[in-house]
Amino acid sequence: AQSVTQPDIHITVSEGASLELRCNYSYGATPYLFWYVQSPGQGLQLLLKYFSGDTLVQGIKGFEAEFKRSQSSFNLRKPSVHWSDAAEYFCAVAPGGSGTYKYIFGTGTRLKVLA
Amino acid sequence: GAGVSQSPSNKVTEKGKDVELRCDPISGHTALYWYRQSLGQGLEFLIYFQGNSAPDKSGLPSDRFSAERTGGSVSTLTIQRTQQEDSAVYLCASTLGPETQYFGPGTRLLVL
Repeated sequence: AQSVTQPDIHITVSEGASLELRCNYSYGATPYLFWYVQSPGQGLQLLLKYFSGDTLVQGIKGFEAEFKRSQSSFNLRKPSVHWSDAAEYFCAVAPGGSGTYKYIFGTGTRLKVLA
Repeated sequence: GAGVSQSPSNKVTEKGKDVELRCDPISGHTALYWYRQSLGQGLEFLIYFQGNSAPDKSGLPSDRFSAERTGGSVSTLTIQRTQQEDSAVYLCASTLGPETQYFGPGTRLLVL
């Protein structure tokens, strides 16, 4: 069955430190991959997405993610975290090219940033 | 408007009552999704509409839940005989295809 795993429920980092949020997926083919952010009281906003091509994708707010097929991973990174990055982050997958677009979301990673 | 809108933003109801949640997707978006987000949980897929195709209802948790999409645009999620475990944030999203999902702000439902 298709699934998305975000193994870290909570992560705390200091402002200015680097960040990596993990995402692993289980899927038969190369899916479309997404990272969304949900700030407190807000809706979900797309940070970045991967469909094909360059496996390192750049997103908004200084985030990037790398697709590693061999590891079935799509980890999110940021070199220097800002206090405003405190939020919940969701990884999602969707079938690639099949014409059906049922997205599967991970359970999220809540990021806390220490001043 | 330019984004996905949902109403009401908050709903408090008594156990056993019916509720209707509304979603206005982005104009022209052919696909519409409903998700449920319970406290501390990820997004639980409920139902998916794509154009004129039959909706994918595989995520609806019980027959108390139903949804419709009129004219390929506005969608209503109905929960009959609400239970306390239905308390959650209900999110709607729309998209043109295998692209970015644009999410609404959600409806926070509290069943007393």
